[in-house]
Amino acid sequence: EAQVTQNPRYLITVTGKKLTVTCSQNMNHEYMSWYRQDPGLGLRQIYYSMNVEVTDKGDVPEGYKVSRKEKRNFPLILESPSPNQTSLYFCASSLGTDSYEQYFGPGTRLTVT
Amino acid sequence: AQSVTQPDIHITVSEGASLELRCNYSYGATPYLFWYVQSPGQGLQLLLKYFSGDTLVQGIKGFEAEFKRSQSSFNLRKPSVHWSDAAEYFCAVEGGSQGNLIFGKGTKLSVKP
Repeated sequence: EAQVTQNPRYLITVTGKKLTVTCSQNMNHEYMSWYRQDPGLGLRQIYYSMNVEVTDKGDVPEGYKVSRKEKRNFPLILESPSPNQTSLYFCASSLGTDSYEQYFGPGTRLTVT
Repeated sequence: AQSVTQPDIHITVSEGASLELRCNYSYGATPYLFWYVQSPGQGLQLLLKYFSGDTLVQGIKGFEAEFKRSQSSFNLRKPSVHWSDAAEYFCAVEGGSQGNLIFGKGTKLSVKP
């Protein structure tokens, strides 16, 4: 089954404790992206990757890092999480930047205390 | 810059009634447009998309949307709502060179029995 998977689905952590949210897709998509969803703000892009070893900032990149060492994986790293990063995070993938039709993972709900 | 407005934050309809969710966009040319649905605790599922051609597009679950260039609108419709349609609906427009989607803030749909 074609899908985007994320782990963990739920995470509660404390300020400053580094964490990684994994994302994997099995559709051989070139483009991958991370969004955060906050009430009243909709979804906003954090980082994106057009291909292996090619990543770039989205609209709200502060406090996040990403890497793309393999085509299928696109982990999101919070090196020093803060409470304002409490949010619902979605990973998405698409064929390429011209496609725009994005497939979303199930989401990771992160709480930083 | 591209933007999407969903004027209705919350809509309640009776089961069996018709539905129209409004979406207005701001974009310099004819954009790629999307509607996604997010059920509680779930990721985003693509309902339908408009790239070009016929301005009335059909999607999954009995939804359709009409692109009206003169009104910069892409409203979502369904002739008869089912209780399982209760969810949050997001309209989105292509974001440009980042390959991302620009989302509206969503419309939450409640269905009365």
